Amino acid sequence: DIQMTQSPSSLSASVGDRVTITCRASQSISTYLSWFQQKPGKAPKLLIYAASNLQRGVPSRFSGSGSGTDFTLTISTLQPEDFATYYCQQSYSTPPTFGQGVRVDIK
Amino acid sequence: QVQLVQSGAEVKKPGASVKVSCKASGYTFTGDYMHWVRQAPGQGLEWVGWINTKSGDTIYSRRYQGRVTMTRDTSISTVYMELNSLRFDDTAVYYCARGGLSDYWGQGTLVTVSS
Repeated sequence: DIQMTQSPSSLSASVGDRVTITCRASQSISTYLSWFQQKPGKAPKLLIYAASNLQRGVPSRFSGSGSGTDFTLTISTLQPEDFATYYCQQSYSTPPTFGQGVRVDIK
Repeated sequence: QVQLVQSGAEVKKPGASVKVSCKASGYTFTGDYMHWVRQAPGQGLEWVGWINTKSGDTIYSRRYQGRVTMTRDTSISTVYMELNSLRFDDTAVYYCARGGLSDYWGQGTLVTVSS
């Protein structure tokens, strides 16, 4: 199985900050990488697919980049509603696997 | 609009079985796969398996192979996930999610395994 490792494990940030989360795959996954946001008690929400494509309806302050084994999710200007946990997921091979998640909380 | 509506919370004893449903609406049901993903309390997301809603073909995580069965009823646009021989560590929220992108998710079903 492909292992997905996210960093940092958690971070504290302020409204208006630029936030970057990284995701590393244990082998190349091309651009078969999605990012999800999850708030407490809610289902995950797709933000980015195919590494850099913004899902319809997701604010443009979210962006994704990378290919191969190294990927990045960036929130350009953190908003109050962005405090949540973020997961990456590879869909290059079965089973699809998730990173362990990065919790973004208020500084 | 696309909606996935799951069945309600369940409490089961160890060794029992649970069957969770996920009713789809707002799109062509047989046009996409359906994943099942679970999340134990305070933990991350874990893929359980998927079902091809057109053919009924399934692929399961090795971790659940032999204990999980996914089926679908195309007449009512509903997929099911049955988990047998429940253990305490099967306590989790189980989600259905549409297709290769998992672009829509159900609201989740809490399954509690307790004696």
